[in-house]
Amino acid sequence: EVQLVESGGGLVQPGGSLRLSCAASGLTFTNTWMHWVRQAPGKGLVWVSHINNDGSFTTYADSVKGRFTISRDNAKNTVHLQMNSLGAEDTAVYYCASDGGHSFVLWGQGTLVTVSS
Amino acid sequence: QTVVTQEPSFSVSPGGTVTLTCGLNSGSVSSSYYPSWYQQTPGQAPRTLIHTTSTRSSGVPDRFSGSILGNKAALTITGAQADDESDYYCVLYMGSGIWLFGGGTKLTVL
Repeated sequence: EVQLVESGGGLVQPGGSLRLSCAASGLTFTNTWMHWVRQAPGKGLVWVSHINNDGSFTTYADSVKGRFTISRDNAKNTVHLQMNSLGAEDTAVYYCASDGGHSFVLWGQGTLVTVSS
Repeated sequence: QTVVTQEPSFSVSPGGTVTLTCGLNSGSVSSSYYPSWYQQTPGQAPRTLIHTTSTRSSGVPDRFSGSILGNKAALTITGAQADDESDYYCVLYMGSGIWLFGGGTKLTVL
């Protein structure tokens, strides 16, 4: 079965850090660009970050640049999102998604990150 | 600042046809932006409907179609059904590894 499974969400204090993971199965992971997309409560979807297939090229939305780092482990079919200096505005469900022709093809179920004291 | 525009809300009668659009606050949308469309119901992950302007994702019924209409990307639903009532998002690839979502359209079927 082709699927993406996120983990690592939870409650974190403002200024804290969290590392999200996304495990992929059933797809040729080493050939696949990957993304993180987030959705704040009651709000729309927002693209956060992208990584190319070998990890040599990464990009970020301006709102997270300098605070978030995307990485991947092709041996473990996993992509990560290291989130530092978290603020209330980062509270959201975080989805990982696989890329197919500059579009998001397969989505995970999401993991909730809550930033609160 | 570049903004991807979508109608905030739309309504359609059961069996009717509706076209949702995806534009830019400055400039025209073309296929070079690789427009794609996603459906999301409350509490669920998004579902991919259309990618690269007009290619339906696996398992998506052919009553969903994508196109470029004038200076915008468009999602047309033909023969709307009750379970089409969802939020619909478009995404444009802006180049240089940057993607932008539109604000989403809340579609009501009534």
